Amino acid sequence: DVKVTQSSRYLVKRTGEKVFLECVQDMDHENMFWYRQDPGLGLRLIYFSYDVKMKEKGDIPEGYSVSREKKERFSLILESASTNQTSMYLCASSLLLLGGRTSNTEAFFGQGTRLTVV
Amino acid sequence: DQQVKQNSPSLSVQEGRISILNCDYTNSMFDYFLWYKKYPAEGPTFLISISSIKDKNEDGRFTVFLNKSAKHLSLHIVPSQPGDSAVYFCAASAHGNQFYFGTGTSLTVIP
Repeated sequence: DVKVTQSSRYLVKRTGEKVFLECVQDMDHENMFWYRQDPGLGLRLIYFSYDVKMKEKGDIPEGYSVSREKKERFSLILESASTNQTSMYLCASSLLLLGGRTSNTEAFFGQGTRLTVV
Repeated sequence: DQQVKQNSPSLSVQEGRISILNCDYTNSMFDYFLWYKKYPAEGPTFLISISSIKDKNEDGRFTVFLNKSAKHLSLHIVPSQPGDSAVYFCAASAHGNQFYFGTGTSLTVIP
């Protein structure tokens, strides 16, 4: 059974704290993603990574950074948490498709981390 | 700019009837489309997909239709069941490696 595991289901942090959200996948996937889900806005991509130590900005990277030191682990870092970063954070992974191959793969999601910044 | 759009934030359907969820996209390079289902406090789970070389894909009670000329896809659930009540996200991909999601439609199936 494929697994993407996020380290926490619920987190409460104070404004200004540095926050680490951890994600681990056991499918040997090259691609990993961090999204946030907010009402009316759907899933918005924060960062993604297609290889160890590689990262690409998504649509809303401001206020976030990421780390991918090992293939199976992708961390999202909130450098200085703010109340507008209160959200549901979702990690996902997928296979890397090379050479412009037609997509035929899906992203697998973790259970989500509900972060509240007070 | 949102490349994948779900214009109906919510939908209510009687149990046993058909649910139709709609999705529009703007990028003609998208070649793969997916539907995910999400319950509160859980991550999205993959439901069904369709490649751009097809116009229909069926899996049990779930059917996805793709109209490339209109850049429109829809998910049909028939018959609808109370357990289908969830938020449904449409997603699209162009040659893999990145997924673009819609804003979601909250489906309520009334017993």
